[in-house]
Amino acid sequence: KAGVTQTPRYLIKTRGQQVTLSCSPISGHRSVSWYQQTPGQGLQFLFEYFSETQRNKGNFPGRFSGRQFSNSRSEMNVSTLELGDSALYLCASSLPPTGGWGNEQFFGPGTRLTVL
Amino acid sequence: AQTVTQSQPEMSVQEAETVTLSCTYDTSESNYYLFWYKQPPSRQMILVIRQEAYKQQNATENRFSVNFQKAAKSFSLKISDSQLGDTAMYFCAFMKPPGSARQLTFGSGTQLTVLP
Repeated sequence: KAGVTQTPRYLIKTRGQQVTLSCSPISGHRSVSWYQQTPGQGLQFLFEYFSETQRNKGNFPGRFSGRQFSNSRSEMNVSTLELGDSALYLCASSLPPTGGWGNEQFFGPGTRLTVL
Repeated sequence: AQTVTQSQPEMSVQEAETVTLSCTYDTSESNYYLFWYKQPPSRQMILVIRQEAYKQQNATENRFSVNFQKAAKSFSLKISDSQLGDTAMYFCAFMKPPGSARQLTFGSGTQLTVLP
């Protein structure tokens, strides 16, 4: 079974631009979560989507948004980029909620965003 | 809110020896999930081991095992017979119980270096 894929792998943008990152979950996984990883702040939760609905959102400004499509693929968008948005953006997928296991998240390779 | 603390920013171990990475957490939940992820230089986040809080038995996956002390809110990872490929950043992570959004709260990580 193919793993989580993220595109593009690397991206360079300038301040003020906007960017869209894409994530394709493992087949059958319906939950997609996004995380931002920076040297200073570590790994921080951005948001989670399940069945095309945002279920939870981390403490990020409204410039960060996302969506999920009917095939569970997800995109996140960052508008009006700032230098501090330079980070590795990780996407993770997991199975639908169950009483037992299936809650573990499987990560993609990440998108490295550099804002100049 | 949950917090996860990893007090050892860096550790090293000789090949074939045993090393233990520490993790403590704070939560008011009675049931939850704990994970250890590794992130090698490739930046791919890989699940190492998982533990359900209501299970008393410590989880084991080949050379990896945990010491889960629920009352002390401690969740340490033991790596036996360390191999060069174990060199990576290790993250301890917490997730709320089923029915909650899939959100991992990560510690700051421990950089483990296995020396030949």
